[in-house]
Parts: sequence; C-alpha cells; structure tokens
Amino acid sequence: QQPVQSPQAVILREGEDAVINCSSSKALYSVHWYRQKHGEAPVFLMILLKGGEQKGHDKISASFNEKKQQSSLYLTASQLSYSGTYFCGTEPSDNYGQNFVFGPGTRLSVLP
Amino acid sequence: KAGVTQTPRYLIKTRGQQVTLSCSPISGHRSVSWYQQTPGQGLQFLFEYFSETQRNKGNFPGRFSGRQFSNSRSEMNVSTLELGDSALYLCASSPRIKALSYEQYFGPGTRLTVT
Repeated sequence: QQPVQSPQAVILREGEDAVINCSSSKALYSVHWYRQKHGEAPVFLMILLKGGEQKGHDKISASFNEKKQQSSLYLTASQLSYSGTYFCGTEPSDNYGQNFVFGPGTRLSVLP
Repeated sequence: KAGVTQTPRYLIKTRGQQVTLSCSPISGHRSVSWYQQTPGQGLQFLFEYFSETQRNKGNFPGRFSGRQFSNSRSEMNVSTLELGDSALYLCASSPRIKALSYEQYFGPGTRLTVT
C-alpha cells in the first residue's frame, strides 16, 4: 500500500522552512527519505526506525510517529540546493524487509 | 568507492522486442533492487536480489524478470515490450544483509523508450 505524501508541491523562498508529511495505513517498521533532483537519481537522506526517533543532519531532520504511522521531514532555513522531489519509502511492521513502497513524492521549489 | 553503474544509459526499442538492462552495485553491496519510474506512476518497485536469489517482487507482469550473478551484478529483462514500458529504470544497491532496513544507493538509470 503506497504511503500518502503531503503537500504534493510547495514553493518557498530561500531561508523559509518546510514540512513534508508521509502517512501510511499500515503499521510501519521504518520510513526512508530520499531527494531526487531533476534528471538525477534519488539520493538517500535518512532512515527512521520504529521507536519514534528523530534524526537529522545539517538543517534537514525527520520524525517518525509509530502510533500515527506518520513521518515528517523538516527543512529549516531552506537553501536553493534543497529544490527537488522528496520521496518517503515505507516498510510495514508485519513484513519488514519486504514490500518496500515509495510515496508519490513532494515537489519542493526554493526560489531566491 | 565507485557508485552504482547502469548500462546502457539510453535505449530505444520497438514494441514486441525484448531488452536487457545491466547494473553493477557498489563494491561490497550484495543487495540490488530495481525500480521503474514514470511521471504517472512514480517510483515502483520491481524486484530485489540478494546473493543471487530474488528476495522480493513487486506487482509487475511476468514479462519483467531479473537475475543476479555471483559478483552481485544484476540484470533485468523485459520481454515483448509495450509502449507503457517506456520509463526510467533505476537500480539501487544496499549493504542490507537480512531483513534489516538499510539505505539504498541509486544508479543514474536507464532511460528506455519503446516506439
């Protein structure tokens, strides 16, 4: 079952913050986040495992609420280089290691 | 370390033909997954191989098949091509060993156009 991402698209000015959400109808073992720039391959950002941990590096962080089966990606003080499409990928708890599914993506545009 | 490489990068085929795409994972990675990416359907999982065995398979028809060799290199094959098979085919390698969650490193993809 494909996770749902919101918003579908967002436009920001440099320096603004953004939140991208990913939710699943199934209990999750892990959530992955990737960014894909136009014409390039997706690039790994981070993995969150069940347990509600929050991870981050630089000004990009993420949280995972296991009970709500949701994850959120936080982009703080966005930079032009943050532009791209962000995908979450999920693994279900009842069959982790299998049935990895990507969401439809959120297109982020950062303007100067 | 060298990244994931895929060959060829671009391919044009005719309906009814078959095609083989190749992927060389990052050295030391034994897990290779294949994805199809289209504007309408997004990133869809095709299959995953680990130690020459298919471990997972997505919801694609039997025309799509793959294999992995002892050196972890992988190939995927699409037979009897249809127009709807036009897509970017991405290969991803992972250090994943068992059913644990690991990051995936994507190759640049093969752009397949079916006419």
